[in-house]
Amino acid sequence: AQTVTQSQPEMSVQEAETVTLSCTYDTSESNYYLFWYKQPPSRQMILVIRQEAYKQQNATENRFSVNFQKAAKSFSLKISDSQLGDTAMYFCAFMNRDDKIIFGKGTRLHILP
Amino acid sequence: GAGVSQSPRYKVAKRGQDVALRCDPISGHVSLFWYQQALGQGPEFLTYFQNEAQLDKSGLPSDRFFAERPEGSVSTLKIQRTQQEDSAVYLCASNSNRESTDTQYFGPGTRLTVL
Repeated sequence: AQTVTQSQPEMSVQEAETVTLSCTYDTSESNYYLFWYKQPPSRQMILVIRQEAYKQQNATENRFSVNFQKAAKSFSLKISDSQLGDTAMYFCAFMNRDDKIIFGKGTRLHILP
Repeated sequence: GAGVSQSPRYKVAKRGQDVALRCDPISGHVSLFWYQQALGQGPEFLTYFQNEAQLDKSGLPSDRFFAERPEGSVSTLKIQRTQQEDSAVYLCASNSNRESTDTQYFGPGTRLTVL
């Protein structure tokens, strides 16, 4: 069975700093998708970034980038120039071809003014 | 509509009551998913529809949980004889891609509290 592990339950950084959220996963599949979702206190889950496993190039979306290490089954999220609006719960997630998304337990990120 | 909507946003039920939670997916989206998110946890998959067909219900925790999408648009998640352990946020998501590898867009959720 696939699992997703986020080892940092909570993190705090100063505004404008760079922060990296860790994620590891376990699967025997070779073709799958990885995601980082953001869930602010309002509870709406928002996709931050996605990565297809067959792509070697790391995905980037503005201030958000990932470090995808397929052999190590690692998928970390880097947030550059962090902003107060980045305060939220961040979930690492995995999806294979059966469409179910499997989420980690989340990392609560606080951006401090 | 502009996004996935869910109603009600909050629901309080007495133990043993039946509840119905509604999801309106993004217009035209083929696939619809239900997830359960317990307090302090990540969401867990419950069930999945492609149009009106329920293709996977392996995540439903018991036979008290039932979901339907009769016309391939709006979906209802019904929980019969609610128990305290059913207290959670129920999230609905939809995507447009028949191949189901497209991004899932989530609704705001329904917070269910069973007393």
